[in-house]
Amino acid sequence: SAVISQKPSRDICQRGTSLTIQCQVDSQVTMMFWYRQQPGQSLTLIATANQGSEATYESGFVIDKFPISRPNLTFSTLTVSNMSPEDSSIYLCSVVTNTGELFFGEGSRLTVL
Amino acid sequence: AQSVAQPEDQVNVAEGNPLTVKCTYSVSGNPYLFWYVQYPNRGLQFLLKYITGDNLVKGSYGFEAEFNKSQTSFHLKKPSALVSDSALYFCAVRASYRSNDYKLSFGAGTTVTVRA
Repeated sequence: SAVISQKPSRDICQRGTSLTIQCQVDSQVTMMFWYRQQPGQSLTLIATANQGSEATYESGFVIDKFPISRPNLTFSTLTVSNMSPEDSSIYLCSVVTNTGELFFGEGSRLTVL
Repeated sequence: AQSVAQPEDQVNVAEGNPLTVKCTYSVSGNPYLFWYVQYPNRGLQFLLKYITGDNLVKGSYGFEAEFNKSQTSFHLKKPSALVSDSALYFCAVRASYRSNDYKLSFGAGTTVTVRA
């Protein structure tokens, strides 16, 4: 398994501001993802965080709104830019281990006022 | 395309009774199937997976799931539910032929409530 730490665990933000979420893994992993879980809904993949290159975004998500960095194999950040109340969600970092399982962090619960 | 259906939004059972959470899937080729559990204000925890081999898979916390290819189902089961099993359960799938693509498709989730 992998131990995944996300910061912040929760935050309340004002409309129009930006927030950066950090994800730290206790071991080197090849694949890291960012998911969004809107209130009462399932998980939606935002993007694959690629080490040393631009993230790969899913349909409906763009880099200007959700810039992602992954400077090494154990760390990634997701920024939610120019936030609106519709961005209120749980944002989850996930990694693939060498056994092919997908593990998740505890999530960052974001409320935008 | 790959997708998962969890037909029940909620499942309510009494403690000590069997628990079943239903999941059906659609995928091209052979599936990789997963169950995750989410406790309140927590991230997702991995419960079990089916990759190949035995259709009955055993996982964490006494849970098991049975892969049924003809019915394209992967129902989660526990013989005797506990109050602490009350949580949100997600089924997920990806196509096995996509060996380097670990993107999962999740079901909508089923809220399990176990009453004392």
